[in-house]
Amino acid sequence: EAEVAQSPRYKITEKSQAVAFWCDPISGHATLYWYRQILGQGPELLVQFQDESVVDDSQLPKDRFSAERLKGVDSTLKIQPAELGDSAMYLCASSFRADTQYFGPGTRLTVL
Amino acid sequence: AQSVTQPDIHITVSEGASLELRCNYSYGATPYLFWYVQSPGQGLQLLLKYFSGDTLVQGIKGFEAEFKRSQSSFNLRKPSVHWSDAAEYFCAVGANNNDMRFGAGTRLTVKP
Repeated sequence: EAEVAQSPRYKITEKSQAVAFWCDPISGHATLYWYRQILGQGPELLVQFQDESVVDDSQLPKDRFSAERLKGVDSTLKIQPAELGDSAMYLCASSFRADTQYFGPGTRLTVL
Repeated sequence: AQSVTQPDIHITVSEGASLELRCNYSYGATPYLFWYVQSPGQGLQLLLKYFSGDTLVQGIKGFEAEFKRSQSSFNLRKPSVHWSDAAEYFCAVGANNNDMRFGAGTRLTVKP
């Protein structure tokens, strides 16, 4: 069964450093999502792509976060500089049609 | 804007006992409703979804959920809980897979 791939699974960094996360959606899925999940809470959408275009980035802190999906396939989420409050699980999801999102295993970020 | 409330932060049940996890939503139109499960340190796995039609939906791992429009609820049930069901459960509401909102989650503990 096809799955959403994410790397790294864990990342520890110091504040003010740059970090990047990678996501490879299920083949053929045009829509890709990045979520942030703070411990003890549900996921919150950061950015949504349709192919290579951003559909919704209203909750993305654009002063430090950026996301791209240059060829409409895999995607990278970057944080620069990282802050202590960025410690969270970063989840990537993809969907084929406008119905079900399939999630990857996530990247656990710890900022020291 | 849509929102989801999961009133129970933590539930403990004995193995073999029945389970019901509550979910209430707020949405102006007919919602798309989902239940996901998350094991510690992992991504979210889809248990079941409701878009239209029969209000009782069957999912994986023996779970089912019932959509009740009059009560704005979409409660998750399982007749007999297994120790492997211990996890975090998230209810989500969306429309056409856009702007999906998650509840804060319910953590399930299963007693032997």
